[in-house]
Amino acid sequence: GNSVTQMEGPVTLSEEAFLTINCTYTATGYPSLFWYVQYPGEGLQLLLKATKADDKGSNKGFEATYRKETTSFHLEKGSVQVSDSAVYFCALSDQAGTALIFGKGTTLSVSS
Amino acid sequence: KAGVTQTPRYLIKTRGQQVTLSCSPISGHRSVSWYQQTPGQGLQFLFEYFSETQRNKGNFPGRFSGRQFSNSRSEMNVSTLELGDSALYLCASSLETGRRTEAFFGQGTRLTVV
Repeated sequence: GNSVTQMEGPVTLSEEAFLTINCTYTATGYPSLFWYVQYPGEGLQLLLKATKADDKGSNKGFEATYRKETTSFHLEKGSVQVSDSAVYFCALSDQAGTALIFGKGTTLSVSS
Repeated sequence: KAGVTQTPRYLIKTRGQQVTLSCSPISGHRSVSWYQQTPGQGLQFLFEYFSETQRNKGNFPGRFSGRQFSNSRSEMNVSTLELGDSALYLCASSLETGRRTEAFFGQGTRLTVV
């Protein structure tokens, strides 16, 4: 079945450091891939998405490229800020588009 | 425009009771899905409704049920509550269906079963 694996956290960085959060997936067909972010006490917010191989999603300085050959969708940001501290979830949409399958989430903590 | 609204935000129930959670999607959105979030299991899909029809259901016992009304508002019900049902329940709405469609989440309902 479909599944998403993302690196365990927590990830602790200093402000302006480079961020990578690894995400790999298993799926039949051609899923769409997403990164969601959850701030404390909040629901999920879509950060970026990619719907086909080699697509690059980007938003607020974050980027991720849909790599079908390595079944990966790693999240990167060149210079993190304290305000980026949150939990990040990698997800895929099943073929029918009726459900999202999430990774376990990675907690990012950025200090000044 | 208004986002996805979930009510109530917090709920405390006793084992054996039942509970109903409500979700109002973004205006014009016809798809509503529900997820359970716990520290141990993470985010798990419960069910999805589109135009009042349940189209997909996750691997949860029959105590978990839901419905969608003609105005796209949705409710989920959990009967005979167990301690393990304590979780954050998230509702998401989408304009339509399909794997490319973006889902917008509400802030969730925090259910505590004692």
